[in-house]
Order: sequence, then structure tokens, then C-alpha cells
Amino acid sequence: GQNIDQPTEMTATEGAIVQINCTYQTSGFNGLFWYQQHAGEAPTFLSYNVLDGLEEKGRFSSFLSRSKGYSYLLLKELQMKDSASYLCAVYQAGTALIFGKGTTLSVSS
Amino acid sequence: KAGVTQTPRYLIKTRGQQVTLSCSPISGHRSVSWYQQTPGQGLQFLFEYFSETQRNKGNFPGRFSGRQFSNSRSEMNVSTLELGDSALYLCASSSGLAEHRDTQYFGPGTRLTVL
Repeated sequence: GQNIDQPTEMTATEGAIVQINCTYQTSGFNGLFWYQQHAGEAPTFLSYNVLDGLEEKGRFSSFLSRSKGYSYLLLKELQMKDSASYLCAVYQAGTALIFGKGTTLSVSS
Repeated sequence: KAGVTQTPRYLIKTRGQQVTLSCSPISGHRSVSWYQQTPGQGLQFLFEYFSETQRNKGNFPGRFSGRQFSNSRSEMNVSTLELGDSALYLCASSSGLAEHRDTQYFGPGTRLTVL
């Protein structure tokens, strides 16, 4: 079976840094994705981790620890447009992507 | 490159009816996955098709079915609709060649309301 946990909601202010955590328990692991979904829109790809460590892409970074079943998404220099839901997803052997329920981030000025 | 397209964007049906949703993947992509998104359950995987064959399947009842055509376009069918089937149905396409490393690209979704 699989279980993916993320906080339901987070709030932050413009210019700040926020870390969104994701823990997972899966039978077989083949990589972890982060997606961003604005209200009423489709999810869009942010990052992919399959090896331990940090992947950096501009203001966004994603970290993975396979031994701990743990990942986080780090957003720097927050902007109002970063207000969205952030979805953690893992590939499990024998199935396609399994998603967490998402973390709704609200950025205020 | 054109993105993933889904039709229709909105649908209203009544209980007991059936519905067919369509998805056209990004050109060159051979894998299409379908997801149901609801506020309470989040994104839940329905099934994946690759080269006209169902490759993976989630835990949904047999009322939910799909198929893929030779041009990679996919359809999803839900029969005997129930109120609980009201949701946003998303399809995602990927190359399908690196099964567990592929990035999936999502379409805008079909919002289904069952009355």
C-alpha cells in the first residue's frame, strides 16, 4: 500500500521562505514529483527527485531522503503568485503516480 | 507544442446516466493517465494507457473504464453515474518510455457534476 502525508495548509508572507514537507510510505519507490496547482487550473510540474539530495531550480528547490521516506519543497523569495496547492507524488511499482492530498499555501503581503 | 486537451470542459448529468470524456495528449506522447480530483480525496489515479493497452489501474469500480486509440487519444467512460462521481477528471500525458521517471503533463480537466 501507499501513504503520502503533507500538511493541509500553510501561510507565509511575501519575500519569505517556506518549506513544505512530504512523507511517504510506499511498497517500491521509483521517484518523487512536486506539482503546483492554482485554483481552477491543472497541476503543473515543478520538480523530480529520484536520488537523495537537493535539486535546485531558481526560487524552488526539492530535497529527498529515501531512507527516511521524506521530501520537502523549498520556496524562496515568495511572491503572491505562489499562492497555490502543492502536490507531492510518488511512483509506486506496478501503478502510476500516487498523489498526496496537497498543501494549500497562502502568501500575503 | 500544443498541450494536453480535454473535452468537454464541463458536464452536467443525472444519476444513472453514463458519460464519456476525451483526452488528446501532447504530440508524440504515448501514455495517457486519468485521475479523479475531489476536495476530500485529492487526486486519485484511475488508470493508465500506453500504446492502446491498459498498463496500470487504480482502485475504482468497474463502472469506470477507458480506452486508447492508435493516435494515442484516450477516452474515459463512467456508467451508471452516482452523486459521488461529481469531480474534476484530469488526464495527463507522458512519453511512456521511462515508465517510472516520466514527467506527466496535465490537461485542464473536465468538471463533471452529477445531479
